[in-house]
Amino acid sequence: DADVTQTPRNRITKTGKRIMLECSQTKGHDRMYWYRQDPGLGLQLIYYSFDVKDINKGEISDGYSVSRQAQAKFSLSLESAIPNQTALYFCATSDHRGPNTGELFFGEGSRLTVL
Amino acid sequence: AQKVTQAQTEISVVEKEDVTLDCVYETRDTTYYLFWYKQPPSGELVFLIRRNSFDEQNEISGRYSWNFQKSTSSFNFTITASQVVDSAVYFCALSEYGGSQGNLIFGKGTKLSVKP
Repeated sequence: DADVTQTPRNRITKTGKRIMLECSQTKGHDRMYWYRQDPGLGLQLIYYSFDVKDINKGEISDGYSVSRQAQAKFSLSLESAIPNQTALYFCATSDHRGPNTGELFFGEGSRLTVL
Repeated sequence: AQKVTQAQTEISVVEKEDVTLDCVYETRDTTYYLFWYKQPPSGELVFLIRRNSFDEQNEISGRYSWNFQKSTSSFNFTITASQVVDSAVYFCALSEYGGSQGNLIFGKGTKLSVKP
């Protein structure tokens, strides 16, 4: 089983609908992230959370919200989806301690299409 | 401000050729980490290497090698004797503050196509 699991893996929706992408991890990491990938733009940070009570905006947070329900769960919501939010979304985790400091561990991605 | 530049948008080579993917970074921090990730056509992100700012030794792993030069703020990636399975998008990334911030700043990626 994957250490970082994203659901759904693929979703097609219509403009104006509310969408939630969920992420859960079994790595025991304290930090979780949501990134968005668009062709030719690399990965851009949407939101990140350093622990359950900590939520921070990334570089492209407009139109998105997040919830850190538990250390292992971090969900991303689009309250009213629009076509330019069509993208591949990645959840990631990291541990600020230990030998892997700074490294992100990614989920398999959620492909969202907004019609 | 921190920034990662991968100037090569797409590279196409023939199998068995060597290829170098360039990465130039900007940071004001003295302690930072650099990374390379591979994204094959299936879409997942595969970690390749992490290098901290105090370790300028080049690294070799099989057909892969990395050249880190602080003097030019570059962290280039070379694939020797490329294979079709190397076809992917490759991302260079930077983590500042010694990794304490956690989030990575990514370059826009270089799409490598290796033709048989």
